[in-house]
Amino acid sequence: AQSVTQLDSQVPVFEEAPVELRCNYSSSVSVYLFWYVQYPNQGLQLLLKYLSGSTLVKSINGFEAEFNKSQTSFHLRKPSVHISDTAEYFCAVSTSGGYNKLIFGAGTRLAVHP
Amino acid sequence: EAGVTQFPSHSVIEKGQTVTLRCDPISGHDNLYWYRRVMGKEIKFLLHFVKESKQDESGMPNNRFLAERTGGTYSTLKVQPAELEDSGVYFCASKQAAGNTIYFGEGSWLTVV
Repeated sequence: AQSVTQLDSQVPVFEEAPVELRCNYSSSVSVYLFWYVQYPNQGLQLLLKYLSGSTLVKSINGFEAEFNKSQTSFHLRKPSVHISDTAEYFCAVSTSGGYNKLIFGAGTRLAVHP
Repeated sequence: EAGVTQFPSHSVIEKGQTVTLRCDPISGHDNLYWYRRVMGKEIKFLLHFVKESKQDESGMPNNRFLAERTGGTYSTLKVQPAELEDSGVYFCASKQAAGNTIYFGEGSWLTVV
């Protein structure tokens, strides 16, 4: 069985500061990894994903995450955050070979302050 | 192209009543999923349809929950009778047969009082 741990339930940060949202997973088989974001009063949106290949993946709005197999981590980073990045971020895994069930972490609320 | 749509967006019902949530997946998506997030907890898988068939319903909490997908298009999730602990956000999601990205709707917020 797979599980996901998001180590921080809330992360407050000032605008233009760097941020890292931590995610660790547990699995006995190969996994695919995802970060989803939920902005206030909106649904879940896919931010980025790791399926294979380069371990560093990037989103169009400046976030990046690195798959680290030895540490079973998939931390999300952004070098300079904006007020508009305020949202809840969810790390999720699914088993490789079938993208049919996502297992989510508990979520991290990112609050960007001016 | 329309995304995954869910109805109602918000619902407040009394304990013991029945609520039916509806999900329209993205057109052409064979895979349809229901997830739930109760207050303060993680988002949990409920079940997965492939077309009209239930592929995996291991996450359904009990027999008060009934999901259907007649004709392989839209799906409904009925809670009967509703209990207080059923309050939360119910997300529907869909995916193409050969795709690797699951697209979520905006959720149906259920409050049982």
